[in-house]
Amino acid sequence: DTGVSQNPRHKITKRGQNVTFRCDPISEHNRLYWYRQTLGQGPEFLTYFQNEAQLEKSRLLSDRFSAERPKGSFSTLEIQRTEQGDSAMYLCASSLPGPGFRLFFGSGTQLSVL
Amino acid sequence: AQTVTQSQPEMSVQEAETVTLSCTYDTSESDYYLFWYKQPPSRQMILVIRQEAYKQQNATENRFSVNFQKAAKSFSLKISDSQLGDAAMYFCAYRSQETSGSRLTFGEGTQLTVNP
Repeated sequence: DTGVSQNPRHKITKRGQNVTFRCDPISEHNRLYWYRQTLGQGPEFLTYFQNEAQLEKSRLLSDRFSAERPKGSFSTLEIQRTEQGDSAMYLCASSLPGPGFRLFFGSGTQLSVL
Repeated sequence: AQTVTQSQPEMSVQEAETVTLSCTYDTSESDYYLFWYKQPPSRQMILVIRQEAYKQQNATENRFSVNFQKAAKSFSLKISDSQLGDAAMYFCAYRSQETSGSRLTFGEGTQLTVNP
C-alpha cells in the first residue's frame, strides 16, 4: 500500500491556460473521488468514478472541468481556460466500494491562477 | 441534501488536557456513517475516527472518542491528554448509506491549537 499519489504538488498558471492534474489511487480501490478545498473551508465534492465510469458530477464542476479515469486506474482532472476563482487545493481520494470503507486521501495539488 | 455544521471555527487546549469539538448534521436518512478527519499543515487528510449510525455504542480510538447523539443529530469529538501533534484542522464528515457513490460531505472545520 503506497497510498494515494497526486502530481504535481503545486501548479502556478496564468489565467486562461489549461492545467491537468493526475491522481494514482491505491491499486485495489475501484472508487476514486475528486474534491476541491479552498483555504479555511472543508473539501467540496467534485466527481467520482467507479472503475472507469464517472458516475456522479457536482454542480460545482463547470463545463471547463473534465475528469477521466481510463482503464479504471489513474485519473486526470483537467481545467480549461483557468480563472482566478479556480485557485484551490484539489484533493483525490480512493476507497473500496461501500459507505463503510474509509476514503484514503492524497496530499493534493495546490493550484494558483495568476 | 445532507449538511454538516461545525460551529467552532477555532479551539485551543493546554497540553495534557481534554477538549471537545462539536459537530451537528442534518439528514433524513436513518443509516449512515460519520467521520472525523484531521488535516495538519501538510494538508494530508487523516482519518481519526468513524461511527456507524446503527451502532449505539460510541466509537473510541485510543485518546479519541465520540459522543454520538442520533436523535439530536450531534457528533462531537473528544480528545483526551492532548498532545502538541494533535494541533490541526479537524473536519466532521457525513457519508450516506443510501446515495450512490457514498461521497463524504464535510463541515467547515475547527482549527485546534495545543498550547505547551
